[in-house]
Amino acid sequence: QKEVEQNSGPLSVPEGAIASLNCTYSDRGSQSFFWYRQYSGKSPELIMSIYSNGDKEDGRFTAQLNKASQYVSLLIRDSQPSDSATYLCAVKRASGTYKYIFGTGTRLKVLA
Amino acid sequence: DAGVIQSPRHEVTEMGQEVTLRCKPISGHNSLFWYRQTMMRGLELLIYFNNNVPIDDSGMPEDRFSAKMPNASFSTLKIQPSEPRDSAVYFCASRFNNNEQFFGPGTRLTVL
Repeated sequence: QKEVEQNSGPLSVPEGAIASLNCTYSDRGSQSFFWYRQYSGKSPELIMSIYSNGDKEDGRFTAQLNKASQYVSLLIRDSQPSDSATYLCAVKRASGTYKYIFGTGTRLKVLA
Repeated sequence: DAGVIQSPRHEVTEMGQEVTLRCKPISGHNSLFWYRQTMMRGLELLIYFNNNVPIDDSGMPEDRFSAKMPNASFSTLKIQPSEPRDSAVYFCASRFNNNEQFFGPGTRLTVL
């Protein structure tokens, strides 16, 4: 079992719809969770971080964390073609540590 | 302010040759990471430096890989001898203390 699992996709959604990206992790001791966006041929960039159970909203993005079920999700409202990218989920085992464990990413396609 | 700088951006070499990848972290950052990204395995941490000292090299695949950080503004990742299975995108990332890590543009390595 991989430490961080994501569906590779592609996930296709029409423009204006809500895109829902999911990630599960195996280490119950994980405390910090991140979503990175990576455009084709580019480097990952951080778009959301979440540390406690519940929802965290930032503009069109909402991160959701459920530690009991060991999953974290990212919702993108009013999806735009410019949101088409690969979204990487990353987990850190404990606060203050350096090691991020990345999933292999979900490719999102927003259709105009 | 310049971001993380990596060179070369693309490298094509033949099996058995030595490859050296270079990274200049963001000025003032005290942590540096080398990652490798492939379709199959995703983004994997190879080695982590803190204050120029290698803290964790457990991700370095084998003795053919070595990394150095002679000063706060420069790091190298060397592969000798290179093999076709080393073909991947290699990212360098830096951060200050426990803050967000910023990725460089990556080096796409192809070993023939």
